[in-house]
Amino acid sequence: TQLLEQSPQFLSIQEGENLTVYCNSSSVFSSLQWYRQEPGEGPVLLVTVVTGGEVKKLKRLTFQFGDARKDSSLHITAAQPGDTGLYLCAGAKGAQKLVFGQGTRLTINP
Amino acid sequence: DAGVIQSPRHEVTEMGQEVTLRCKPISGHDYLFWYRQTMMRGLELLIYFNNNVPIDDSGMPEDRFSAKMPNASFSTLKIQPSEPRDSAVYFCASSLHVAGYTFGSGTRLTVV
Repeated sequence: TQLLEQSPQFLSIQEGENLTVYCNSSSVFSSLQWYRQEPGEGPVLLVTVVTGGEVKKLKRLTFQFGDARKDSSLHITAAQPGDTGLYLCAGAKGAQKLVFGQGTRLTINP
Repeated sequence: DAGVIQSPRHEVTEMGQEVTLRCKPISGHDYLFWYRQTMMRGLELLIYFNNNVPIDDSGMPEDRFSAKMPNASFSTLKIQPSEPRDSAVYFCASSLHVAGYTFGSGTRLTVV
């Protein structure tokens, strides 16, 4: 059973476009994290959101935690080729055990 | 800090051989996690430790897999005997309390 569903699984867009990826669950999480993974490397933490409705911005990336703490979204404005990678959301249930989604593989074409 | 250090980066072995993967977590982190990543199944948690004590090993596929953490600065994941279906990228990650995880660069294991 996949507790966290990410959509879309694959996304290929042109440089300069905007995009949103989603992370959904029927479960409530105490916090949710987003990671980006590049080929040959491990995932790197981008942000942690802990409060329902919380919005965090990281340059051109905007992260939002759903009011009910069951879902999250990542919006990228004016995507650049350097944004290419696998984006993973991960929810915390209980002490220190993260559940990862399957990821969204994003390709930004120059 | 050099981050989480895993070795080797790549391992190719024959079916039936023993494989040992190594991890040095970030100094001061009290949690250590072993994950396996494949295209089909994504990131799967195998086992995690808190203060060197195994807390949850329910993700370990079968008895061929074992993990140890003899001290705060070192952990191993052993597969014996290895099988082709064990081929994957194995990641070690560490964290401090409820902070985000820091992952190593992974070990790409190929069992032929």
